[in-house]
Order: sequence, then C-alpha cells, then structure tokens
Amino acid sequence: DTAVSQTPKYLVTQMGNDKSIKCEQNLGHDTMYWYKQDSKKFLKIMFSYNNKELIINETVPNRFSPKSPDKAHLNLHINSLELGDSAVYFCASSQKGGPTGYTFGSGTRLTVV
Amino acid sequence: GEDVEQSLFLSVREGDSSVINCTYTDSSSTYLYWYKQEPGAGLQLLTYIFSNMDMKQDQRLTVLLNKKDKHLSLRIADTQTGDSAIYFCSGATNAGKSTFGDGTTLTVKP
Repeated sequence: DTAVSQTPKYLVTQMGNDKSIKCEQNLGHDTMYWYKQDSKKFLKIMFSYNNKELIINETVPNRFSPKSPDKAHLNLHINSLELGDSAVYFCASSQKGGPTGYTFGSGTRLTVV
Repeated sequence: GEDVEQSLFLSVREGDSSVINCTYTDSSSTYLYWYKQEPGAGLQLLTYIFSNMDMKQDQRLTVLLNKKDKHLSLRIADTQTGDSAIYFCSGATNAGKSTFGDGTTLTVKP
C-alpha cells in the first residue's frame, strides 16, 4: 500500500489553463504539506495543513489554492498556469511533534507549455 | 526562521567513504534528519538523530551531531553506485516545523 500517493505523476498543460493535483495519505498523520522542487532540485515549502487547518502559507501566488477536505487528503489547485510554474510538486505528511519525519509522495512533474 | 546549509556536490569513488555535511541555525531543532532522493522519486527518510545524541549508527550510515557548532554529518561507509542520489539535511522543532537544506548531489564513480 502506497503511504503518500499523488496524482497525476505527469501533467503537461498549456499556459492559462487550470489544473489540480491530488494527494492522499494512509498513515494517519495529522499534518500534510505541498513542496515545490525547481530545476536545481531546491525544495520550497508552499503550504502546510494540520487537521484540515492551514498552518503554513509561504509566499506563493494566490493562483495556488490548497484544499483539505479531511486530514488524509490535501489537494492543490492552480489557476492560470504560467511557464514558471513548471516544476515537480511533492506532497508529504508527518505526525506533528513525532520523530518519524516526513513521508513524501513520488511527485507530480508539471510542465507548462 | 531556520537556515540549513549543505555543500551542493560531492564525488567519491566506489568503496570509499562519503561524508556529507550540514549546518543549521535553530538550536531548538529537536530532531535532525537525512533524506535521500533518487532520480525521478520523492524524498525518502534515511535516518534521524535526536538533538541530545552525539552519534547514531545504522549499518553503513553514521550520523554525527555537534550541537555546539550546529553541525550535522552523514557518513556512508563503502559507498556504492546505488548510493548516488541527492541527500537532504533537515531540522525539525517540537512545534513540527521542518526546514530542508538545498541538497547535496552525491556522485559515486566506479
């Protein structure tokens, strides 16, 4: 069973389109995250939700909107896609205060053309 | 907020030891982690050390923590080509906030 699963794995779309990436975790963790990894492999936190509540919202354009219907799911919707949004987006989960660290999904490679 | 710094590249020969270094600024980091990212995959937790420990060994991996200097290192003994990957250092506070370094790309040459 995949612990953190995100779909789709690849997403190629035209500028100006709206797209969503879905994430689900079956670990019972209370916190979920979205990270963006750029072409230099640097990881940047975008959002964090704890028990469905937004706790981290880094400087991200408001075209990006996360939604957490329950603590096992955290989806990312992106409006009006731009070329600079091309990156790999990772979902992760953790148990707040625990030593087990983060469990990452396998990533969604978004290419905007 | 916390800063976590790592050198970006390391190249070693197969069979040698690799040492990847990391420095962090937040002394309230409770746990410090090493993650491995293979091409096309997500980050995978390799090991972690609690902030009141100096050393942790797990098979070929040895983590050393110098809390005074806020320095963390990961030593991989007998490095294999399968160890080629990007290694990320991360610190986490009790409040659960984690910060990741920029990653060290380890290249193992045969």
